[in-house]
Amino acid sequence: GDSVTQTEGQVALSEEDFLTIHCNYSASGYPALFWYVQYPGEGPQFLFRASRDKEKGSSRGFEATYDKGTTSFHLRKASVQESDSAVYYCALGDYTGNYKYVFGAGTRLKVIA
Amino acid sequence: GPKVLQIPSHQIIDMGQMVTLNCDPVSNHLYFYWYKQILGQQMEFLVNFYNGKVMEKSKLFKDQFSVERPDGSYFTLKIQPTALEDSAVYFCASSLSKYEQYFGPGTRLTVL
Repeated sequence: GDSVTQTEGQVALSEEDFLTIHCNYSASGYPALFWYVQYPGEGPQFLFRASRDKEKGSSRGFEATYDKGTTSFHLRKASVQESDSAVYYCALGDYTGNYKYVFGAGTRLKVIA
Repeated sequence: GPKVLQIPSHQIIDMGQMVTLNCDPVSNHLYFYWYKQILGQQMEFLVNFYNGKVMEKSKLFKDQFSVERPDGSYFTLKIQPTALEDSAVYFCASSLSKYEQYFGPGTRLTVL
């Protein structure tokens, strides 16, 4: 079945560091890919999506590029801030056949000032 | 941005009782979802709902679970009867298309 793998369970960085959170997916169809961010006590918030190969999604300084060849959608940010501390989820939406929406396990980012 | 509301924010019930979790989705959205998140763990898809019908459900969506949205009012998740393993935070989400979903703040359910 469809799946999303986030390699890092936790990431700790200092302010202004470069961020990469790895996301790889497995899907039978051609899914749309998403990044969500969840702050403590809240539901996940949509960050951005990409729907086709080589498409780049971006928001709030975060970006990721859909790579069908490596089945990846890695999240990057050039310079993180303490306010970016949260849990980040990669997700896919597979609309071929039965509709499926699958979240990764999440990556907890802690940014130290 | 668009807001999804969930009522109540916390619910404590005894095992075997029935519970109904309520979701007020974004007004013009067409797709509705429930997710379950056990503390500190991954968020897991339960069910999605469109045009008055369940479109897809996961293995976590047990026979004791049901969803409905009568007459365009709240989108509800009912669990009858509840079990200890149902303790979790339940998130409702809605979307206009099959793409980005908007999530509520969650209902923390504790089954004693």
